[in-house]
Amino acid sequence: DSGVTQTPKHLITATGQRVTLRCSPRSGDLSVYWYQQSLDQGLQFLIQYYNGEERAKGNILERFSAQQFPDLHSELNLSSLELGDSALYFCASSPETGLGAGANVLTFGAGSRLTVL
Amino acid sequence: QQQVKQSPQSLIVQKGGIPIINCAYENTAFDYFPWYQQFPGKGPALLIAIRPDVSEKKEGRFTISFNKSAKQFSLHIMDSQPGDSATYFCAAKETSGSRLTFGEGTQLTVNP
Repeated sequence: DSGVTQTPKHLITATGQRVTLRCSPRSGDLSVYWYQQSLDQGLQFLIQYYNGEERAKGNILERFSAQQFPDLHSELNLSSLELGDSALYFCASSPETGLGAGANVLTFGAGSRLTVL
Repeated sequence: QQQVKQSPQSLIVQKGGIPIINCAYENTAFDYFPWYQQFPGKGPALLIAIRPDVSEKKEGRFTISFNKSAKQFSLHIMDSQPGDSATYFCAAKETSGSRLTFGEGTQLTVNP
């Protein structure tokens, strides 16, 4: 157990629908990152939050949004789902604030597998 | 967007062999280069990492070689075992931030 909890583990839904993926970071970690892993694809960075504030944004679609709550858990909202959104969505956390140079160990959850039919 | 390119896409070796996975990056403002190991059904887990002021780092059977001038780094697995069969990702972190940019991944199979 990495300490990062993601729910649900599996989700099957239809095109056009909306889903919410949830992530609880490791105790003490203030940064949360969302990554998308499609078939035969690497890990694509979506977005980072630090202590409730958006810190960095990657190639996140406008149909996707995220937030981090005061208790530091985060949610990734995916709407108007398309077949191509089927993927593994990983949440990771780290203690790093992102304001300085140095090592940053990301601890990943087990992922949420989204299937859009 | 900053990129990290990884090769090969897949690799098959016999037990005891030394698989080598290579990565190249473009952004000279990267300051931390970790490797992650991912087993099926699991999230990636940190395996070993290196900073650009070091040319080599060894942890157990895993070694990172780093060539700053060529902007390349590689992972070597000594005396590979079937249990090392997994997908390996190289990554890089920009000095100005904390997110990691990942390579495309290498699926390693170690045959008994």
